[in-house]
Amino acid sequence: GAGVSQSPRYKVAKRGQDVALRCDPISGHVSLFWYQQALGQGPEFLTYFQNEAQLDKSGLPSDRFFAERPEGSVSTLKIQRTQQEDSAVYLCASSLLPPPSTDTQYFGPGTRLTVL
Amino acid sequence: DQQVKQNSPSLSVQEGRISILNCDYTNSMFDYFLWYKKYPAEGPTFLISISSIKDKNEDGRFTVFLNKSAKHLSLHIVPSQPGDSAVYFCAASGSNFGNEKLTFGTGTRLTIIP
Repeated sequence: GAGVSQSPRYKVAKRGQDVALRCDPISGHVSLFWYQQALGQGPEFLTYFQNEAQLDKSGLPSDRFFAERPEGSVSTLKIQRTQQEDSAVYLCASSLLPPPSTDTQYFGPGTRLTVL
Repeated sequence: DQQVKQNSPSLSVQEGRISILNCDYTNSMFDYFLWYKKYPAEGPTFLISISSIKDKNEDGRFTVFLNKSAKHLSLHIVPSQPGDSAVYFCAASGSNFGNEKLTFGTGTRLTIIP
């Protein structure tokens, strides 16, 4: 079947604009994660959903960042009033089972956001 | 504070030889460790994992070793092949964290020389 897909693959925004990044997880996967990868760094955790419930948003860097997964499948990460420091690759990952399993996380290709 | 560290940004290895990638961690609550491989413009791809109750896990050409007392793990690839050229990320998670969120190192770029 299809893997995790993300759109758009590339996004250029002017500082102050709002952006929305979409993630389509693997069908049936319960867990969904968002990560942020800055240039030259490893991915950093942003937020976690179990079905439609956002159970952990401890990694969101500010209240400008908002994520949702209203029907327990597709998820959207929204960034309001983008700043230059928001420039990064945003990765989405999904896994079949909820915790406490250690099920493999499957990553999408990411959305590269550039804020000018 | 970097809880997972990969101190070698890059590594070059001759084709057919062994590649050894290293990773150190500081958080003793981590109990599950993974290696991901990443090609340019793609997302990370799971390679191999190890639970803290083991000290070795092997899958084909890939072996991961865990030294809990030293808070150190390593990935061995033997024999190395040109297709192994990629960035390798070490990652860790903890069963007490409430979910499987991963903490990643900064990556090591492996280049296999034909």
